[in-house]
Amino acid sequence: GPKVLQIPSHQIIDMGQMVTLNCDPVSNHLYFYWYKQILGQQMEFLVNFYNGKVMEKSKLFKDQFSVERPDGSYFTLKIQPTALEDSAVYFCASSSDGINTEVFFGKGTRLTVV
Amino acid sequence: GDSVTQTEGQVTVSESKSLIINCTYSATSIGYPNLFWYVRYPGEGLQLLLKVITAGQKGSSRGFEATYNKEATSFHLQKASVQESDSAVYYCALIYQGGRALIFGTGTTVSVSP
Repeated sequence: GPKVLQIPSHQIIDMGQMVTLNCDPVSNHLYFYWYKQILGQQMEFLVNFYNGKVMEKSKLFKDQFSVERPDGSYFTLKIQPTALEDSAVYFCASSSDGINTEVFFGKGTRLTVV
Repeated sequence: GDSVTQTEGQVTVSESKSLIINCTYSATSIGYPNLFWYVRYPGEGLQLLLKVITAGQKGSSRGFEATYNKEATSFHLQKASVQESDSAVYYCALIYQGGRALIFGTGTTVSVSP
């Protein structure tokens, strides 16, 4: 079936450095999402993105976070600067026509901030 | 706010035995939510197992069933006879009409022993 690819699968970064998580969504999908899951906790919504703009974001989407999808390439989540509490697995997802259509998830990127 | 509760973090069951994974949800928003079960098989991304959008209806897929019980605010997942290939992490999730993102439970890890 359709796949969302996330690169890399695991990243270790020094606190205070910048990190970019890359997501290759399902082709022809128009809605993109990031979720964050801290070990042992729920997967929580961070942000959704449509037509080049952030549509909605949660309180977890701090000022240090940004998303973009330049020219239809990767959908990226950038954290600058990183903090220890940003350590988590970040899941990218996409859907064709909003949240009420099937959402496809990537395998996640495990981010470790040291 | 809206939330989903899965009481079992880990379940071990023998092959060919029955399985039930409990899921209840809070009903703070107006109306009735759409309910989902997602599954993550080892090494794979999260994928939709089944969904039910009408209270009282049952969804089924791959031998699993879940019934939307609005009185009990529950959406338990059941399978009569599990196989080793059902070993995975199962997530219950919901979204209300007009909601911005899926709300997930903490997940239940199912291990099926031969």
